[in-house]
Amino acid sequence: QSVLTQPPSASGTPGQRVTISCSGSSSNIGSNYVYWYQQFPGTAPKLLSYKNNQRPSGVPDRFSGSKSGTSASLAISGLRSEDEADYYCAAWDDSLSGPSFVFGGGTKLTVV
Amino acid sequence: EVQLVESGGGLVQPGGSLRLSCAGSGFTFRSYEMNWVRQAPGKGLEWVSYISSSAGMIYYADSVKGRFTISRDNAKNSLYLQMNSLRAEDTAVYYCARDDSSDGFDIWGQGTMVTVSS
Repeated sequence: QSVLTQPPSASGTPGQRVTISCSGSSSNIGSNYVYWYQQFPGTAPKLLSYKNNQRPSGVPDRFSGSKSGTSASLAISGLRSEDEADYYCAAWDDSLSGPSFVFGGGTKLTVV
Repeated sequence: EVQLVESGGGLVQPGGSLRLSCAGSGFTFRSYEMNWVRQAPGKGLEWVSYISSSAGMIYYADSVKGRFTISRDNAKNSLYLQMNSLRAEDTAVYYCARDDSSDGFDIWGQGTMVTVSS
């Protein structure tokens, strides 16, 4: 059971806008930045969004992160076949046993 | 080119030990915090451990606390993960990731596979 909750799957057609949600709590999303990572099968994850809504250099502006309270979301507009991948949200968690970095369970995005 | 390269993975029996290494190049290694993240076969990402740039702060996931030890040698641009008392559930691809403070884990290695099995 992941600390951050994501839907296991999402899908869309080319050109469509898709949103992936991420739910947490006051000790993680509610008080820390949210990050999003994209991972293709057999490869290392790639940073897609940081500090809730900032895009690293080279990431298309079709990808946009947002945060509200203890939830966050990643929106992908103008969906393309090459966006088919696994997406993970993440945040630092200020737990009683010490800081920890927590990931969501991941969302497999299918472009149909 | 900014790069991280892991090594040291392999097959180990339950209860055994393994030491992973991660070599950084193309950037000022000593200026960055570092992390280990793992991914069991067919599963999601799991954070394992964090170390600050000077090794003054270290954190572990509860699942590895007391068994794994993170360390670094800034003179050798290297990060390490000493894994003891290994269990079947530690089987995973282990990634090292550069931590650009609040800007996230921005550079990842290619991963090294650790299999714990008799």
